[in-house]
Amino acid sequence: DAGITQSPRHKVTETGTPVTLRCHQTENHRYMYWYRQDPGHGLRLIHYSYGVKDTDKGEVSDGYSVSRSKTEDFLLTLESATSSQTSVYFCAISGRDSEAFFGQGTRLTVV
Amino acid sequence: EVQVTQSPEALRLQEGESSSLNCSYTVSGLRGLFWYRQDPGKGPEFLFTLYSAGEEKEKERLKATLTKKESFLHITAPKPEDSATYLCAVQAGSNYQLIWGAGTKLIIKP
Repeated sequence: DAGITQSPRHKVTETGTPVTLRCHQTENHRYMYWYRQDPGHGLRLIHYSYGVKDTDKGEVSDGYSVSRSKTEDFLLTLESATSSQTSVYFCAISGRDSEAFFGQGTRLTVV
Repeated sequence: EVQVTQSPEALRLQEGESSSLNCSYTVSGLRGLFWYRQDPGKGPEFLFTLYSAGEEKEKERLKATLTKKESFLHITAPKPEDSATYLCAVQAGSNYQLIWGAGTKLIIKP
């Protein structure tokens, strides 16, 4: 398995609270991604990073921010969690033109 | 706009009954088409990358093919352990991001 670790694996939080999800890689890949996966939808890109401190928005970035201060770590923050952000979140890593490898996912419930 | 459509949404087969899953796309400048397998509660697992029309790749009971408008994932004599959701994604033009289909849930009955 590719060396990707997501934490936490499960989290329940209250509406309006900030939440941070962590993705850690040991593969030294340049590109890192945060996706969400919901029933009836494909994986949807939230934010991605193409290097330390280099990040950009994906198709569903509203309400989310990211940071990458080290090659190995990519953090996703829900600034003020809402029920619509209840989802399964996946981190992925890749080289530029190569396949992406995924973490095990974080199941987030906002109540 | 890039669109990726997978069909059928779900497919139930008997063990040993061969079939195919479809991934159609509307994109110019395809750079790669990717197939993944996803088991419940887990992240997607990479299967294949196809780069150009006419290309084929095989792995055990799975074979992926690519034309200019679609890709097929052929499953020959499937076993119950092949049950999973199969996802495809495309990468196109100057954008290296992946655009994903919604997946096909495959169930193989013993």
